[in-house]
Amino acid sequence: KQEVTQIPAALSVPEGENLVLNCSFTDSAIYNLQWFRQDPGKGLTSLLLIQSSQREQTSGRLNASLDKSSGRSTLYIAASQPGDSATYLCAVRGSQGNLIFGKGTKLSVKP
Amino acid sequence: NAGVTQTPKFQVLKTGQSMTLQCAQDMNHNSMYWYRQDPGMGLRLIYYSASEGTTDKGEVPNGYNVSRLNKREFSLRLESAAPSQTSVYFCASSEYDRGSGGELFFGEGSRLTVL
Repeated sequence: KQEVTQIPAALSVPEGENLVLNCSFTDSAIYNLQWFRQDPGKGLTSLLLIQSSQREQTSGRLNASLDKSSGRSTLYIAASQPGDSATYLCAVRGSQGNLIFGKGTKLSVKP
Repeated sequence: NAGVTQTPKFQVLKTGQSMTLQCAQDMNHNSMYWYRQDPGMGLRLIYYSASEGTTDKGEVPNGYNVSRLNKREFSLRLESAAPSQTSVYFCASSEYDRGSGGELFFGEGSRLTVL
C-alpha cells in the first residue's frame, strides 16, 4: 500500500530564505506527483504536476523535483515571502490511479 | 473563472439527518472526486466518477452515496449523518480519468458538523 510522508510537519523561516519541503513515498510505481498549496479554511490549489518520466518542474519561484527510484520529491521555494505561508501537500498517483496524499507541511514565513 | 463550485460551504446537522453536498465544475472535465479531510488523517477519497452515470468507491465510502447525473455535476449524499462524518469535504475534477494521471482541481470545501 502506497504511503506518502511529508517532513517536517511544520516549518518557520524568516522572509527571504530559500527553503526545501520534502515528500517521500513507499511505492516507486507512480504515474505522477502533484504539489498543492492550502490556505487556512480554503481548498487546495495545484502548484506543480510532475509526470513519472520527468525529473523536475518549475513555476516562478517554485521548483519541484522527482526521484522515483528513491521515492522522493522536493519542493524548493526561492526567496520566501510572508504570502507563501500555507500548508503544502504532496500527492502521488499510483498504479491503480488513486491519488494518495501526504499530511502536509505547514509553512510560516516571518516578515 | 469559477472552476469547481461546492455548496453549501457550511452545514450543521443533527445525528440521523440527511443532506446532499453539491458540486459543479465548468472546465468540461470528465473525472470528478469527493474527498474528506480530517485532522491528522490527510485527504481520503470517498467516491470517484470517471464519467456521467459511472461511480466507483474510494477508500472511505461507507455512509455515503453519490450521483453523477451529467458531466458538470457530482453530488454527495449522507442518508443518516453520524458524528464520525464531521469533516471538511472537497470536490475535485480532472480532465482525464485517474488512470491517465491528470492534474486535479479542487473546490473551496464544505465544512460539515454533525452533532
